[in-house]
Amino acid sequence: GESVGLHLPTLSVQEGDNSIINCAYSNSASDYFIWYKQESGKGPQFIIDIRSNMDKRQGQRVTVLLNKTVKHLSLQIAATQPGDSAVYFCAEISAGGTSYGKLTFGQGTILTVHP
Amino acid sequence: DADVTQTPRNRITKTGKRIMLECSQTKGHDRMYWYRQDPGLGLRLIYYSFDVKDINKGEISDGYSVSRQAQAKFSLSLESAIPNQTALYFCATSLASNQPQHFGDGTRLSIL
Repeated sequence: GESVGLHLPTLSVQEGDNSIINCAYSNSASDYFIWYKQESGKGPQFIIDIRSNMDKRQGQRVTVLLNKTVKHLSLQIAATQPGDSAVYFCAEISAGGTSYGKLTFGQGTILTVHP
Repeated sequence: DADVTQTPRNRITKTGKRIMLECSQTKGHDRMYWYRQDPGLGLRLIYYSFDVKDINKGEISDGYSVSRQAQAKFSLSLESAIPNQTALYFCATSLASNQPQHFGDGTRLSIL
């Protein structure tokens, strides 16, 4: 079945380091991917997205890379700060069929940034 | 996201009770969604609505029902709550199916 999953459930880094969070997906028909950040007591917050016709997209301190050949998505956070500590989810939106428009989430990676 | 408001934020109730969780949005989006989050798991889709007259089941709709009262309001009901429905519930909206979904801050529901 369709699934979006993460390689690492936890990631600990030092403040100032770069962080990389990885995600694997299985639905080759997916054409839109999103990274969300979820802090304790809050809902998921949109960070950055990428469409399947791109392989890289940059935001403020964040970069998303998409490798469609191996169905892999990554989120890079530059100069990680304590405020970046949260759970990060990748999510996929299906391009069509019975799953059209439905967001499928991965399990999440806990990022802890140490001062 | 303050544009998506969920009430109540917390609720403790007993098995067998009827519960309604409410969601309202000021973003003007047609699409609204209800998700459930359990510890260690990602969000799972319960129901979604692409407009006021369109309601669709998600992957875990059993035991739940929804009502789309207006473009801005989408409520989730548990007709007879059971303990394994204890979870965090999130409402979300989107402008279109290929656009980001925007989430409320959730309702923490505990069923004893």
